[in-house]
Amino acid sequence: DGGITQSPKYLFRKEGQNVTLSCEQNLNHDAMYWYRQDPGQGLRLIYYSQIVNDFQKGDIAEGYSVSREKKESFPLTVTSAQKNPTAFYLCASSLLGGAASQDTQYFGPGTRLTVL
Amino acid sequence: EDQVTQSPEALRLQEGESSSLNCSYTVSGLRGLFWYRQDPGKGPEFLFTLYSAGEEKEKERLKATLTKKESFLHITAPKPEDSATYLCAVQPIYSGNTPLVFGKGTRLSVIA
Repeated sequence: DGGITQSPKYLFRKEGQNVTLSCEQNLNHDAMYWYRQDPGQGLRLIYYSQIVNDFQKGDIAEGYSVSREKKESFPLTVTSAQKNPTAFYLCASSLLGGAASQDTQYFGPGTRLTVL
Repeated sequence: EDQVTQSPEALRLQEGESSSLNCSYTVSGLRGLFWYRQDPGKGPEFLFTLYSAGEEKEKERLKATLTKKESFLHITAPKPEDSATYLCAVQPIYSGNTPLVFGKGTRLSVIA
């Protein structure tokens, strides 16, 4: 089955630790995205990547880092510099093409991160 | 600044009671407007994309419409399984694959 997988589903972090959230897709999509969702808030963009070895900061990139070494994978590291990391993290992917119809983003199941 | 406002924040309906959710947007140019459904603790599920004013799309009990300043998600004769948060997002026209701008969502509860 084609789709987006995120792991783990739940993650607990002690203060001062870095943690890495995994996102893998087998849809052959070019673009991948990371969003953060807090209760009662919309999705806020952390980072996105349109091509391997290249990525751009979103609205709330401080305290986060990403890499895009393979087309299928876009891991997110939550560093100790992120002051309030407890949230639901969502990964998405989309095609990269000229037609607007290709821009639909498809989401993974999410990772819930809790800081202890 | 690109902005999306969804109303109401929460909506409680009796089973069979039709209603509409609103998504107002401000963008310099619209490439596409997207509707998603999100169940608690899960990732958003894609429903519709609308591209131009006057466009309509339907799926089961849901119908999405688009004007130049807002979109409506009409729910006809809802069932309890339609309970979810519905998210609206816009993609500005600057260039392809610019990230989406999301609203905060409308939390729909359908009571049997």
